[in-house]
Amino acid sequence: QVQLVQSGAEVKNPGASVKVSCTTSGYTFTSYGTSWVRQAPGQGLEWVGWISGYNGNTNYAQKFRGRVTMTIDTSTSTVYMDLRTLRPDDTAVYYCARDRNSATRDYWGQGTLVTVSS
Amino acid sequence: QSVLTQPPSVSAAPGQEVTITCSGSNSNIGNNYVSWYQQFPGTAPKPLIYDTNKRPSGIPDRFSGSKSGTSATLGITGLQTGDEADYYCGTWDSSLSAAVFGGGTKLTVL
Repeated sequence: QVQLVQSGAEVKNPGASVKVSCTTSGYTFTSYGTSWVRQAPGQGLEWVGWISGYNGNTNYAQKFRGRVTMTIDTSTSTVYMDLRTLRPDDTAVYYCARDRNSATRDYWGQGTLVTVSS
Repeated sequence: QSVLTQPPSVSAAPGQEVTITCSGSNSNIGNNYVSWYQQFPGTAPKPLIYDTNKRPSGIPDRFSGSKSGTSATLGITGLQTGDEADYYCGTWDSSLSAAVFGGGTKLTVL
């Protein structure tokens, strides 16, 4: 079965960086892209960006360009999201999700809570 | 401020029917598929509808999706207390070159 398993919760100081991993299984990794979606406490869903499992091409939401980098490791079917210069308002649960197409995320990871606080 | 607009909350009695609307524009809903997600507190969103009106396996036919112009609708019939959750619409915005979501709708089954 399709699974996306994310790394554990992180607590970071403002200005630091965080790297979250998403290890996938149950499907051909190179046939699908992966999106990262975040959800601040009590708030809605916000798309961070996308990476191709085929060639590592990326598309980041305008808001995060310059601060986020997404990478893949095809040998382990793992996707990574690196977010830099963290601010308190980056505190959120970050989800990875498989993209069925540009409009649909069809399988989701369990989420990783990133807390930014001094 | 979300690109897609949903009502913050809807409510109905058990056994009744409810619809949740999602309003957008020609750059998103008007020219792209729509998806819908159900989210319970503390859990990841779960896809309910994809490609505007298709249900993943395991999703009961009480859930349906449709679209007209720049608005989409999620319908839920035979409401159950277990349907109480937050519901989000999502699509692609061709002008932003970004995936976008609605602000979410909290469903209360009275």
